[in-house]
Amino acid sequence: KQEVTQIPAALSVPEGENLVLNCSFTDSAIYNLQWFRQDPGKGLTSLLLIQSSQREQTSGRLNASLDKSSGRSTLYIAASQPGDSATYLCAGMNSGYSTLTFGKGTMLLVSP
Amino acid sequence: GAGVSQSPRYKVAKRGQDVALRCDPISGHVSLFWYQQALGQGPEFLTYFQNEAQLDKSGLPSDRFFAERPEGSVSTLKIQRTQQEDSAVYLCASSLDARDLSSYNSPLHFGNGTRLTVT
Repeated sequence: KQEVTQIPAALSVPEGENLVLNCSFTDSAIYNLQWFRQDPGKGLTSLLLIQSSQREQTSGRLNASLDKSSGRSTLYIAASQPGDSATYLCAGMNSGYSTLTFGKGTMLLVSP
Repeated sequence: GAGVSQSPRYKVAKRGQDVALRCDPISGHVSLFWYQQALGQGPEFLTYFQNEAQLDKSGLPSDRFFAERPEGSVSTLKIQRTQQEDSAVYLCASSLDARDLSSYNSPLHFGNGTRLTVT
């Protein structure tokens, strides 16, 4: 059974810092690894999706990497802004359809 | 609408009551998923529909939980005789076609969820 772990559980940084969120998974037979953002009281917004054949994806100030052999993914946020404050979740998709196994998330606070 | 719509946004139920949670997926999305998110946890898979067929209900925690999607569009998650441990946010998500290989790498679209509190 796939297990996904995210470190750290919470992170507080001043505005402008670059930061890295970590995600590890136990079953390397994944179709893809996805990063989501969740704002308080809201659903999940997809940020980046890395296919199993890819090593990284970029969107604006966000860059996600995937290393299947080590079971790790990272989300890099450049030049953080207060609007980046949210919970970031990673999820692996293993089975023949889109069932996702989520980590518990990293709660990020970017202070002005 | 443009996104996945869930109703109600909040539901308070007394222990033992039955509740019904509704999900309107994005128009044309074949696949629909229900997830349960407890406070401070990531979402956990409950059940999956392909059109009207419920192909996987392995995540439903007990036989008090029942989901349906009779016409392959709107879905309802019903919880009978609610218990305090059922308190959570219930998230619905949809995608074009989860069994289409070309769609494996299409992200899921989530609704804002229904927050259920059982007192």
